[in-house]
Amino acid sequence: AIQLTQSPSPLSASVGDRVTITCRASQDISSSLAWYQVKPGKAPKLLIYDASSLQTGVPSRFSGSGFGTDFTLTITSLQPEDFATYYCQEFNNYPPFTFGPGTKVDVK
Amino acid sequence: EVQLVESGGGLVQPGRSLTLTCKASGFTFGDYTMNWVRQAPGKGLEWVGFIRSQAYGGTTEFAASVEGRFSISRDDSDNIAYLHMNSLKREDTAVYHCASFTMIVGVFDYWGQGTPVTVSS
Repeated sequence: AIQLTQSPSPLSASVGDRVTITCRASQDISSSLAWYQVKPGKAPKLLIYDASSLQTGVPSRFSGSGFGTDFTLTITSLQPEDFATYYCQEFNNYPPFTFGPGTKVDVK
Repeated sequence: EVQLVESGGGLVQPGRSLTLTCKASGFTFGDYTMNWVRQAPGKGLEWVGFIRSQAYGGTTEFAASVEGRFSISRDDSDNIAYLHMNSLKREDTAVYHCASFTMIVGVFDYWGQGTPVTVSS
């Protein structure tokens, strides 16, 4: 199965900061990568699919990029509601589906 | 508005069984693959398994960690997906979410809030 790693973890940041999270796949997954935001007690939320496509309703401060094995999620100006844990997930060759270990964005 | 609501979680002894329910609304449930994803305390997300739509045979796939112990079924007339868990282990303790592929197969675009399962004696 494909392995995903994420960095950094955790990530300490302030409101207004530009935040970048990296996800690396153990093999080429083309653009078959998604990003999710997870908050305690809430339903996880899809942010980005196909590596760079913004899910409907997600603020434009979120963006994704990458292809092959290296991907990034960027938040251009961190808002108070963005403090959460972010997971990447691959869907290139399933099952199984693999999630990254998560990156917790907390208050600096 | 799409909604997925899980229920049926609780405290169960090791070796026992439990069935979780995912009630869907706001989309044509029968057309889509339904998944279960879990998150153990202090851990990340782990895909558990899915059931395809009847158009694709209604077949199921599972993670190796639950293969042979868990099964999934669906009732398209009531818009419900079930996760049947047998021979439960302490390491199955987690919040269990159902999630759908309505946009792209492989992308979990709608999720429920989850139902907690604790396996303990």
